[in-house]
Amino acid sequence: QKEVEQDPGPLSVPEGAIVSLNCTYSNSAFQYFMWYRQYSRKGPELLMYTYSSGNKEDGRFTAQVDKSSKYISLFIRDSQPSDSATYLCASSSNTGKLIFGQGTTLQAKP
Amino acid sequence: EAQVTQNPRYLITVTGKKLTVTCSQNMNHEYMSWYRQDPGLGLRQIYYSMNVEVTDKGDVPEGYKVSRKEKRNFPLILESPSPNQTSLYFCASSPLDRGVPDTQYFGPGTRLTVL
Repeated sequence: QKEVEQDPGPLSVPEGAIVSLNCTYSNSAFQYFMWYRQYSRKGPELLMYTYSSGNKEDGRFTAQVDKSSKYISLFIRDSQPSDSATYLCASSSNTGKLIFGQGTTLQAKP
Repeated sequence: EAQVTQNPRYLITVTGKKLTVTCSQNMNHEYMSWYRQDPGLGLRQIYYSMNVEVTDKGDVPEGYKVSRKEKRNFPLILESPSPNQTSLYFCASSPLDRGVPDTQYFGPGTRLTVL
């Protein structure tokens, strides 16, 4: 079992929809959680970074961590065609080692 | 411009021929890391470095070497490449927040094919 699991999709939504992307993790030592967005033929770019449990909001994006259930979520409100990309969750304990999920491919259709 | 550069961007080589992929960053970041990305497997960490002369294994270090002699450079060395190392490779750098790389900046990627 991978330490971080993510449904690869693909996920197809209409423009304007609310998107929910999810990951689960198994390592209780993980305290740091990230979401990256990767456009085709590009390197990943950081979207959200959270420490421990709770919510963090940035514009149309909300990251949520539930450490009791080892569940990580990213919500995208009012999805746009420009949100079409692969979304990668990642987790870390207080070391430099990062574990990524497999990535979820999202297509937001106009 | 703040950036992470990788060279070469594309490389086709043969089994057993040693190669080096260079990575350089101009942001004075302590942390640097190498990943490989394969379909269905996502991004997997190969090696990382928390600072000069400090390197550690990631999830898939077998068949790879790294060195961190200077803060800005973090080359990835394949001493004897094999076809299962055919992949898309990314280098990343980050400042450290409480010892954690909180904001990784990724390079453009190197597509390696080993025949």
